[in-house]
Amino acid sequence: DAGITQSPRHKVTETGTPVTLRCHQTENHRYMYWYRQDPGHGLRLIHYSYGVKDTDKGEVSDGYSVSRSKTEDFLLTLESATSSQTSVYFCAIRGTSPSGTQYFGPGTRLLVL
Amino acid sequence: SQKIEQNSEALNIQEGKTATLTCNYTNYSPAYLQWYRQDPGRGPVFLLLIRENEKEKRKERLKVTFDTTLKQSLFHITASQPADSATYLCALEDRGSTLGRLYFGRGTQLTVWP
Repeated sequence: DAGITQSPRHKVTETGTPVTLRCHQTENHRYMYWYRQDPGHGLRLIHYSYGVKDTDKGEVSDGYSVSRSKTEDFLLTLESATSSQTSVYFCAIRGTSPSGTQYFGPGTRLLVL
Repeated sequence: SQKIEQNSEALNIQEGKTATLTCNYTNYSPAYLQWYRQDPGRGPVFLLLIRENEKEKRKERLKVTFDTTLKQSLFHITASQPADSATYLCALEDRGSTLGRLYFGRGTQLTVWP
């Protein structure tokens, strides 16, 4: 599992509430990614990071922000949760063997009421 | 527009047969293509990677082919077993993209029945 954990694993929240999801890795990987997965859409990239304090937007970044103050932690924040952000969120790291593969965390299931 | 299409949303086959899953792409120039397996409630797991200059890659009962002219990859599971039942995702890294960004298809749900 490449030492990736996500917390919380499940969360129910109300519309308008800020929510922060955490991804933690233990193997000092430089590149980290946040995806959301929805029926009919597959995996879509929200944000990614190429180092501490270095982040960039993916294809569905509106309403989300990220931070990476330490190599091992990549935080995803829903600034004001909406029902359209109900989804399963996966964190991933870029592996090196073979180069280019990604290793995923177990996911966080978020329900916004 | 750019697309990655996995031709079947669902594929049902009998145990022992060969499952063949298809991934087609449009308006990408992939350096390589990857296949992942995803079980319900879990994150995707990497299976195989094939580079643009490779025609075929094998790993145990799995085989991947990559045809850059047809813009297509085929994923085969030979002697399929019920334990192979899962969703299979194809993904590619486009030459023009940065920082290891992968683009995923929506997946094919494979069911192998006894």
